[in-house]
Amino acid sequence: DSGVTQTPKHLITATGQRVTLRCSPRSGDLSVYWYQQSLDQGLQFLIQYYNGEERAKGNILERFSAQQFPDLHSELNLSSLELGDSALYFCASSQWTSGNNEQFFGPGTRLTVL
Amino acid sequence: GQQLNQSPQSMFIQEGEDVSMNCTSSSIFNTWLWYKQEPGEGPVLLIALYKAGELTSNGRLTAQFGITRKDSFLNISASIPSDVGIYFCAGPSTQGNLIFGKGTKLSVKP
Repeated sequence: DSGVTQTPKHLITATGQRVTLRCSPRSGDLSVYWYQQSLDQGLQFLIQYYNGEERAKGNILERFSAQQFPDLHSELNLSSLELGDSALYFCASSQWTSGNNEQFFGPGTRLTVL
Repeated sequence: GQQLNQSPQSMFIQEGEDVSMNCTSSSIFNTWLWYKQEPGEGPVLLIALYKAGELTSNGRLTAQFGITRKDSFLNISASIPSDVGIYFCAGPSTQGNLIFGKGTKLSVKP
């Protein structure tokens, strides 16, 4: 158990809909990262938050957004869903201190868009 | 951009055999991380390497940080069925997020 929790475990929805994925980081970790994993693209970085502030953006679509709340949990919002958005979405957390790049992953949310 | 190339893509081995896999990059990394992912689960951190030439073990797993800082190796000794999974190497991008290799899928025949 990494200490990172994600809900829900599975999500099935239709094209055009909007969903919210939730992540709680490990105790003491201030940084949260969101990754998308699909069969053909591997693990792709979407976005990072550190102590409530956005720190880095990866290949995140404009239809996707995220935020980190004062209690450090994070939510990833996916809107106008398309079939191609079906994937595993992982949250990871870290202390993000100098010289320490270790990230700890949650169990993921499997999103299926029909 | 930064990319990590992992090989082999997949391995089918007999229980008890040793396994070697590697990861290479066109650019220098100051950290190498190895993760294992089992079906339906998130990646689990196995070993973290921070120094060129460093050799670190975690049970039957041993990883090395290449002296050129452009490669890393993971060895598993005396494999067992629960070693099955996908092994990923990862390194930090200039932004701080992790860049992952495509993974090595390991299958172990009892």
